[in-house]
Amino acid sequence: NAGVTQTPKFQVLKTGQSMTLQCAQDMNHNSMYWYRQDPGMGLRLIYYSASEGTTDKGEVPNGYNVSRLNKREFSLRLESAAPSQTSVYFCASSAPLAGGPYEQYFGPGTRLTVT
Amino acid sequence: GENVEQHPSTLSVQEGDSAVIKCTYSDSASNYFPWYKQELGKGPQLIIDIRSNVGEKKDQRIAVTLNKTAKHFSLHITETQPEDSAVYFCAARPGGGADGLTFGKGTHLIIQP
Repeated sequence: NAGVTQTPKFQVLKTGQSMTLQCAQDMNHNSMYWYRQDPGMGLRLIYYSASEGTTDKGEVPNGYNVSRLNKREFSLRLESAAPSQTSVYFCASSAPLAGGPYEQYFGPGTRLTVT
Repeated sequence: GENVEQHPSTLSVQEGDSAVIKCTYSDSASNYFPWYKQELGKGPQLIIDIRSNVGEKKDQRIAVTLNKTAKHFSLHITETQPEDSAVYFCAARPGGGADGLTFGKGTHLIIQP
């Protein structure tokens, strides 16, 4: 049981390049999330998916797209990377539907630098 | 939307002493309040949580209290140990059908030997 896995661990992009961050979970969770973490800012929600086939915007969705490929996988795409997207990206998953449980479990993160 | 404030940003305590970190939230409909510990280079790890229908929860040296009226919640760590040194984040889950967590900005806890 690996929990939440993310690839790659590190990535360097040039401004304007595109890339997809991959996330998978093996806990049979319904909900998956993407957050970014910047120094002194805590974690901020980019997008989430409450179930396969659905996605919703979080606090900071601009410049990103997501795909819930199946119940296990949730990817985050940067179509045209900008230096402001330099950050550490975390994927998380949780079981819940209405009534909980709400515990979110996080992956190890992807450290992205855009030059 | 929800806004979570966390204090202090840095907390230094002597080993064996207690540490308290406080958070306030703005959305009275928020219904779930977890605390995460993050070590350098790793993802956040859930250490304790509390739901809105409970006032206090304890797990060994860690406890969380929730005051819904005042919209604040606190993390208490007793008998601190060197391995407690890390960054701690509080968070709140909004009510009203939205999902995801809103996080505070974190507290860097330093345990002095």
